[in-house]
Amino acid sequence: DAGVIQSPRHEVTEMGQEVTLRCKPISGHDYLFWYRQTMMRGLELLIYFNNNVPIDDSGMPEDRFSAKMPNASFSTLKIQPSEPRDSAVYFCASRFSDHRTSITGELFFGEGSRLTVL
Amino acid sequence: GESVGLHLPTLSVQEGDNSIINCAYSNSASDYFIWYKQESGKGPQFIIDIRSNMDKRQGQRVTVLLNKTVKHLSLQIAATQPGDSAVYFCAEKLRNTPLVFGKGTRLSVIA
Repeated sequence: DAGVIQSPRHEVTEMGQEVTLRCKPISGHDYLFWYRQTMMRGLELLIYFNNNVPIDDSGMPEDRFSAKMPNASFSTLKIQPSEPRDSAVYFCASRFSDHRTSITGELFFGEGSRLTVL
Repeated sequence: GESVGLHLPTLSVQEGDNSIINCAYSNSASDYFIWYKQESGKGPQFIIDIRSNMDKRQGQRVTVLLNKTVKHLSLQIAATQPGDSAVYFCAEKLRNTPLVFGKGTRLSVIA
């Protein structure tokens, strides 16, 4: 498996533009997480999905942020309109969970999408 | 690394020496802990984990120690190598809730 795949790796955009970040989780993983990493706040959880359903979006900064998971192999994080303070590295991560045994697999991260909003 | 803060605590270690990275976690009810390594320009990578019913776990060149009394976690790296230079994060978790990450420590290995 190629691991968690994110695109784009780098995005530079102007304030007010729409930004869409994409993620393909590892096949078979039923949890998907979006994190944001900044110098000031470190790694922050934005939202996570279980079986394509959003479970907790309390970390999403504001209404300008939205995330979707239309199927088990694809998720998007959208920022509209973008602002300079949204500049950060956005990570997608996935893991599996066996609910029969309560065994949780390790969390695998993608390489991240570095967003710069001018 | 580009993706982490300039104000992280930094540990500088001579190549070949042992490294100890410490972490204070926040939730006394957390039952699962993980150490991640993040190299510059990359995503965090799993190193080792430990459950709250254990106080020590060993991997290849790494050992994690858990002291629940003082809510302290440490990562020991034996015979530190230049490739170990990275930012190290501890993370804690309670049952089915998501991982909560610490701020990170930068390890710099001096050749």
